[in-house]
Amino acid sequence: AQTVTQSQPEMSVQEAETVTLSCTYDTSESDYYLFWYKQPPSRQMILVIRQEAYKQQNATENRFSVNFQKAAKSFSLKISDSQLGDAAMYFCAYRSAMGGTSYGKLTFGQGTILTVHP
Amino acid sequence: ETGVTQSPTHLIKTRGQQVTLRCSSQSGHNTVSWYQQALGQGPQFIFQYYREEENGRGNFPPRFSGLQFPNYSSELNVNALELDDSALYLCASSRQSRGSGETQYFGPGTRLLVL
Repeated sequence: AQTVTQSQPEMSVQEAETVTLSCTYDTSESDYYLFWYKQPPSRQMILVIRQEAYKQQNATENRFSVNFQKAAKSFSLKISDSQLGDAAMYFCAYRSAMGGTSYGKLTFGQGTILTVHP
Repeated sequence: ETGVTQSPTHLIKTRGQQVTLRCSSQSGHNTVSWYQQALGQGPQFIFQYYREEENGRGNFPPRFSGLQFPNYSSELNVNALELDDSALYLCASSRQSRGSGETQYFGPGTRLLVL
């Protein structure tokens, strides 16, 4: 079974600064997808960024970028020019590209609470 | 905001009762997944529905069941409610196609409290 670990329960950053959230995962599969989701206090889970394991290039979405290290099974999220609206719980998630009884299953980490200070 | 909607937003039930939660998927999506999120934790996968059939299930007992309708909306039913069923229930929709790692888009959730 796959597991996802976020070792930072809480992180904080000053507005306009850069912060990196860590995520590691464990899998024996070679083909999979990784995601970062953001969950503000309003509780709606919002997709931040997605990475396909077969792609060497790290995904970027505006101020958000990832550092995907497949061999190390590491998938960190970098937020540049942090804004007050970035404050939320951030979840790293894994999805297999294989079929089976858990098809479609997203496996989430425990989450990291990000606080942004003005 | 995604196009995924859920109802109701909040619900209070007593132990032993049954509950039905509803989800409308985003336009163009044909797959619905359900997750249970306990307070302060990451969501746990319950099951996924595609073409009105369950095609993936997590480690949840049979008293958690679901339906998907021809318009791709979905229901989550929980029988014989237990106190531990108190959680935020999230629905996520996606467009499934062969070989596609479809991204799941989440609704705002239903907060269930079991007393």
